[in-house]
Amino acid sequence: EAGVVQSPRYKIIEKKQPVAFWCNPISGHNTLYWYRQNLGQGPELLIRYENEEAVDDSQLPKDRFSAERLKGVDSTLKIQPAELGDSAVYLCASSLVTGAGELFFGEGSRLTVL
Amino acid sequence: QKEVEQDPGPLSVPEGAIVSLNCTYSNSAFQYFMWYRQYSRKGPELLMYTYSSGNKEDGRFTAQVDKSSKYISLFIRDSQPSDSATYLCAMIGGGSYIPTFGRGTSLIVHP
Repeated sequence: EAGVVQSPRYKIIEKKQPVAFWCNPISGHNTLYWYRQNLGQGPELLIRYENEEAVDDSQLPKDRFSAERLKGVDSTLKIQPAELGDSAVYLCASSLVTGAGELFFGEGSRLTVL
Repeated sequence: QKEVEQDPGPLSVPEGAIVSLNCTYSNSAFQYFMWYRQYSRKGPELLMYTYSSGNKEDGRFTAQVDKSSKYISLFIRDSQPSDSATYLCAMIGGGSYIPTFGRGTSLIVHP
């Protein structure tokens, strides 16, 4: 069974540039999460989807971040414009059941903003 | 104060040692407790999952929850160099379905 796939793995951009990350969850997993992990810190939730509906986005900086999950499968997280403080690893995860705690993570997209 | 506190380490031990990793938390409503392992430049993977107080054993790993003290532990017996990773505790409860993660403890097992 294929795991959660994320791309790109690494991205280096200048500040004020846009960037987008893509995630393909495990087949059949209706819940999809985007987390941000700063260096030396644990993952922090940005947004959670149940199918195509964003049900928990209170931590998403909506002035510059946006996300979508078309047809309840793949998801894209966008930052525009990027700031220096956005440098982090962006992790996508999916789960079969919400609230059970067993999240399956992708390898992450490491963003460096110069 | 964060809801979940975890010493970042690093914790360096010789191969074969017993390792103890710990987290404390402040939210008494947490009911589900997890340990994730994260290798360098990889995503976290679920290692252990427990519900409420007590112990759970899986091979060389034992997860322990003490709800009265708001304290959870992960023990690794006969540690191996391949156990070198960051160990993240995570918790769910209090009406939230989203795991709250600790900052992780970096473990180094040297041969």
